[in-house]
Amino acid sequence: DVKVTQSSRYLVKRTGEKVFLECVQDMDHENMFWYRQDPGLGLRLIYFSYDVKMKEKGDIPEGYSVSREKKERFSLILESASTNQTSMYLCASMGPSYEQYFGPGTRLTVT
Amino acid sequence: QKEVEQNSGPLSVPEGAIASLNCTYSDRVSQSFFWYRQYSGKSPELIMSIYSNGDKEDGRFTAQLNKASQYVSLLIRDSQPSDSATYLCAVFKSGGSYIPTFGRGTSLIVHP
Repeated sequence: DVKVTQSSRYLVKRTGEKVFLECVQDMDHENMFWYRQDPGLGLRLIYFSYDVKMKEKGDIPEGYSVSREKKERFSLILESASTNQTSMYLCASMGPSYEQYFGPGTRLTVT
Repeated sequence: QKEVEQNSGPLSVPEGAIASLNCTYSDRVSQSFFWYRQYSGKSPELIMSIYSNGDKEDGRFTAQLNKASQYVSLLIRDSQPSDSATYLCAVFKSGGSYIPTFGRGTSLIVHP
């Protein structure tokens, strides 16, 4: 079974803090994704990566950056957290038939 | 027009009934189609994929694809209260970037 893990299930940070969310997959997938999910807005793509050190902006990249130094690990960085970044953050990796496997999610609260 | 549309629901069905969830998409070059189930507070999990016209069955789940009419549906037979969740439809276009497009999901409630 594909396993995607995320570093934290719940996180509380203060406005202005730098926040790191990490995601690890164990299936040697090339493509990995970061989404945020908010009530009524569905899944929104922040960034994705199709290879080590390669990244592409999604629909809402502002205020975020990413890092992919190793194939199995894809990190999302909030450079200076703001209250409007309070959300559920979901990492996913993509299998060879374009199916996605999601991690358990990180519920981030910025106060 | 949204690229992938789903009725937000909630769709309420009695236990044991067939639940029918529908999804329409706008891009004719779409090639791969997926259904994900998401329980409240949890992350989406893949339950079905379908790539060609027709029906695909997996246990109590049947995915149906009609590319000419640009819709994909998910039937859940013998619905159980544990099927109560939000069901997300995702569509993938070959030949472009590796980004699927998700619908906003349909909430299903199966009542005893």
